[in-house]
Amino acid sequence: KQEVTQIPAALSVPEGENLVLNCSFTDSAIYNLQWFRQDPGKGLTSLLLIQSSQREQTSGRLNASLDKSSGRSTLYIAASQPGDSATYLCAPVDSSYKLIFGSGTRLLVRP
Amino acid sequence: KAGVTQTPRYLIKTRGQQVTLSCSPISGHRSVSWYQQTPGQGLQFLFEYFSETQRNKGNFPGRFSGRQFSNSRSEMNVSTLELGDSALYLCASSSAGLGNADTQYFGPGTRLTVL
Repeated sequence: KQEVTQIPAALSVPEGENLVLNCSFTDSAIYNLQWFRQDPGKGLTSLLLIQSSQREQTSGRLNASLDKSSGRSTLYIAASQPGDSATYLCAPVDSSYKLIFGSGTRLLVRP
Repeated sequence: KAGVTQTPRYLIKTRGQQVTLSCSPISGHRSVSWYQQTPGQGLQFLFEYFSETQRNKGNFPGRFSGRQFSNSRSEMNVSTLELGDSALYLCASSSAGLGNADTQYFGPGTRLTVL
């Protein structure tokens, strides 16, 4: 059974810092992995999708990497801004075609 | 292009009642999947529909069911509501569904409160 762990659970940083969010998964047989952000009480916004054959994806200030063999993905946020404050979730699609979510990292970027 | 819409946005029911939630996917998307989000269990996969067929199901009791119509709109039904069913219910749509290199687009969710 796929289990997804995200570290740290919460993070508070001053504006302008670069930061790394970590995601690990127990079953490396995944089809792809997606990173989302969720604002309080809202739905999820897709940030990046990495296919299983890819090593990384970039969008603006965001860069996500994937090491399938070791069961790890990281989301790098450059030059953080207060508007980046949200909960960040990683979710691989596992071998049973289900999107399995981690518990998220709650990020606060202080002005 | 309009995003994923869910109705209603908020719902209050009492134990024992049943409820139906609706999800309209992005135009052209044929896959709709449903998720339950609670503070204790986080986000959990309920089921996925593709072209009116249930393709996959999560580990939820039979009180949770769904269907998809020919226009790809989907409904989720929960019968005999329990207090523990209080949650944010999210649906997501994509072109080809889970297992493909396909971004999942989520709706704003339906907040269900069971009293």
